[in-house]
Amino acid sequence: NAGVTQTPKFQVLKTGQSMTLQCAQDMNHEYMSWYRQDPGMGLRLIHYSVGAGITDQGEVPNGYNVSRSTTEDFPLRLLSAAPSQTSVYFCASATSGRLGYTFGSGTRLTVV
Amino acid sequence: GQQLNQSPQSMFIQEGEDVSMNCTSSSIFNTWLWYKQDPGEGPVLLIALYKAGELTSNGRLTAQFGITRKDSFLNISASIPSDVGIYFCAGLNYGGSQGNLIFGKGTKLSVKP
Repeated sequence: NAGVTQTPKFQVLKTGQSMTLQCAQDMNHEYMSWYRQDPGMGLRLIHYSVGAGITDQGEVPNGYNVSRSTTEDFPLRLLSAAPSQTSVYFCASATSGRLGYTFGSGTRLTVV
Repeated sequence: GQQLNQSPQSMFIQEGEDVSMNCTSSSIFNTWLWYKQDPGEGPVLLIALYKAGELTSNGRLTAQFGITRKDSFLNISASIPSDVGIYFCAGLNYGGSQGNLIFGKGTKLSVKP
């Protein structure tokens, strides 16, 4: 049982490049979310999903796309990277009823 | 958007002292969660609260779900050096989506050895 796995751990992108941050969980959790963490800002919700095929926007969704084709995976796509997207990204998952989200170890993204 | 106000932002304490921090909101919440984050790691769940007035302990940590549903408190008793880190409150807004968990900005705890 690996919990929540995020890949890659580190990434450097050039402005305008696209990429996908991967997130997978093996706990059969219905809920999955993506957060970004910037100094002094806490964690801000980007997108979340309450089940396969269902996604919704969080507080800061612009510049990011998500899809949830399976229960296990919830990739986050950056369509055209910008320096403002330099951040640490966390994926999290939870089961319904007792929503104590489990977090991955994060992806540190730098856009130059 | 929805905000959680967490205080204090940071604190230095002497080893062995008790610590208190809190989180408030202008809206009603139906779930409060408390997390700790160590450098370079993801947040780890410490305590989950699901009912107004609920008081829950996890070792030296105790958290309470406020009666008004608009606040929560975390207490750490007899602090030790490994308590250093950033503590976050998080909540689910009453009537909102169960996926929309929002976080406070954190309380950074430093312990003087």
